[in-house]
Amino acid sequence: DTGVSQNPRHKITKRGQNVTFRCDPISEHNRLYWYRQTLGQGPEFLTYFQNEAQLEKSRLLSDRFSAERPKGSFSTLEIQRTEQGDSAMYLCASSLKPWSSYEQYFGPGTRLTVT
Amino acid sequence: GESVGLHLPTLSVQEGDNSIINCAYSNSASDYFIWYKQESGKGPQFIIDIRSNMDKRQGQRVTVLLNKTVKHLSLQIAATQPGDSAVYFCAEHGSSNTGKLIFGQGTTLQVKP
Repeated sequence: DTGVSQNPRHKITKRGQNVTFRCDPISEHNRLYWYRQTLGQGPEFLTYFQNEAQLEKSRLLSDRFSAERPKGSFSTLEIQRTEQGDSAMYLCASSLKPWSSYEQYFGPGTRLTVT
Repeated sequence: GESVGLHLPTLSVQEGDNSIINCAYSNSASDYFIWYKQESGKGPQFIIDIRSNMDKRQGQRVTVLLNKTVKHLSLQIAATQPGDSAVYFCAEHGSSNTGKLIFGQGTTLQVKP
């Protein structure tokens, strides 16, 4: 257990519905990241925050995706009008602003299935 | 495009043997590399990292080698144990201007008793 928690762990939804995932990072970590992982592939970067500021977004983050970190602590990732192609594991990670290491600590993920 | 690739999707070794997992990366400007281990149903777990100004780093039973000339990274696991069975990913950090890690596709390590 890295100390990063994600909820829910599993989510099944019907196409067209909206879903929201939550990530609670390690408490002293000021950076928070979202990745998406499909079966057999490595995690793909979606976006990251430093405190409450969203500093970088991937091309993968379409306009149906939005992420927030309103108080610089927990973060939410919302997917609107879900599509079957959104089915994946959504991973959250956190880190300290790096001085000597870029290590990111990952949570267990939220597995989304869109039917 | 950006990519960090692995040479073999699956590696099968006998318990007690040494394992070597390879990775080729494409961005010569990457300044930092990490190996992660991912067990089924869990998030990636840090194993070892190395900065681009080093060519070797050792941990407990693991060694990472970096060859910048050919853009190659390897993870060596000594005396492989059944608990080492997992998917292994290499990841690179592109530069100080980005926060993201770029992951390869992964190698599944199977340890035979």
